[in-house]
Amino acid sequence: AQSVTQLDSHVSVSEGTPVLLRCNYSSSYSPSLFWYVQHPNKGLQLLLKYTSAATLVKGINGFEAEFKKSETSFHLTKPSAHMSDAAEYFCVVSYRSGNTGKLIFGQGTTLQVKP
Amino acid sequence: GAVVSQHPSRVICKSGTSVKIECRSLDFQATTMFWYRQFPKKSLMLMATSNEGSKATYEQGVEKDKFLINHASLTLSTLTVTSAHPEDSSFYICSARSSRVLAGDEQYFGPGTRLTVT
Repeated sequence: AQSVTQLDSHVSVSEGTPVLLRCNYSSSYSPSLFWYVQHPNKGLQLLLKYTSAATLVKGINGFEAEFKKSETSFHLTKPSAHMSDAAEYFCVVSYRSGNTGKLIFGQGTTLQVKP
Repeated sequence: GAVVSQHPSRVICKSGTSVKIECRSLDFQATTMFWYRQFPKKSLMLMATSNEGSKATYEQGVEKDKFLINHASLTLSTLTVTSAHPEDSSFYICSARSSRVLAGDEQYFGPGTRLTVT
């Protein structure tokens, strides 16, 4: 069975400092993993995705994530936080239900960026 | 590219009435669309999978007679909340997956519809 756990419900950083949002997954086969961001009253935007190619995935807005199979982790990082990064972040794993690929969302991590 | 729209963005309706929400893929064809529900400060919960030209597949615990889904074309899926009650108030989000063979499992999300039932 597939599942995804975001280890922090809320992360607070100062502007200009690094960001780390943690995600662990469980999958019975090689998974596809995603990070999505949701700004208030906005739709979900894909930050990056891992689909069994390079383990270090670079996304938009300076974000990147590293797939670590031994640790079943897919943590999201950014070297320097910007005020505009404040949002809700979701780690997502895909799974197959019949012929349909579906997504399981983590519980979400609220990123607060302080001036 | 890969834009998904939803209409309306917000709707307020009286208890007992029905509300229809549209989800459109604007620049790609989507054989499969998905409907999610998001409660405040909570994650997204998959309600159903909508396949063009066939019946929707509902997740366990979702009432198919209450949440009617129609996927009449490759670019449009609709969700109708029938006989709405205050507990149906929520943020409903749709997503679409491209029909292209190499598209993979990535889904493109609409901006969501805020439903308030009074």
